[in-house]
Amino acid sequence: AQTVTQSQPEMSVQEAETVTLSCTYDTSESDYYLFWYKQPPSRQMILVIRQEAYKQQNATENRFSVNFQKAAKSFSLKISDSQLGDAAMYFCAYRGYNNNDMRFGAGTRLTVKP
Amino acid sequence: DGGITQSPKYLFRKEGQNVTLSCEQNLNHDAMYWYRQDPGQGLRLIYYSQIVNDFQKGDIAEGYSVSREKKESFPLTVTSAQKNPTAFYLCASSTWTGDVYEQYFGPGTRLTVT
Repeated sequence: AQTVTQSQPEMSVQEAETVTLSCTYDTSESDYYLFWYKQPPSRQMILVIRQEAYKQQNATENRFSVNFQKAAKSFSLKISDSQLGDAAMYFCAYRGYNNNDMRFGAGTRLTVKP
Repeated sequence: DGGITQSPKYLFRKEGQNVTLSCEQNLNHDAMYWYRQDPGQGLRLIYYSQIVNDFQKGDIAEGYSVSREKKESFPLTVTSAQKNPTAFYLCASSTWTGDVYEQYFGPGTRLTVT
């Protein structure tokens, strides 16, 4: 079974600085999707960014970008110009191309210091 | 507005009682999911449904039951057989848009059983 590992239970960053959240996964599949979700205190899960494994180019959404290393099975999230509103739990998730569900990491709690 | 609704936001029950959590979506998505979230853990899949009148067990289905009589609705019943039902429950739905897979979440229901 696929597993997703987030090795940083907590991270902090100074407002306006850059922070990188780590994620590794284990799979034998060649086609899959990777996601980062944000869960603020409201607990609503919000999709931050998505990466298709067949695409070599790293996905970018405004201040959020990923570093996708397929061979290393690594999928880190970089948040640039951190804002107070970025404070949340961040979950990395994996979905196989032919699977019916997502696998989630345990999450990283991000604190943004003013 | 299109989206996923879960009600109620907070639910309290006595031990030994069955309780049903509601999940409705108007996104016209075929697939729907139920996840459980405990502190310090990622989301774990309870049940999922790819089409009406069909559903499959996830990793932690014991003590739970579901139905999918309508495309829009996927209620989850937490039975008295569930040993530790207190948790945060998230409903989700998903769709393929061309070559892109998208999964969206509802706001969640916090269930407390005493």
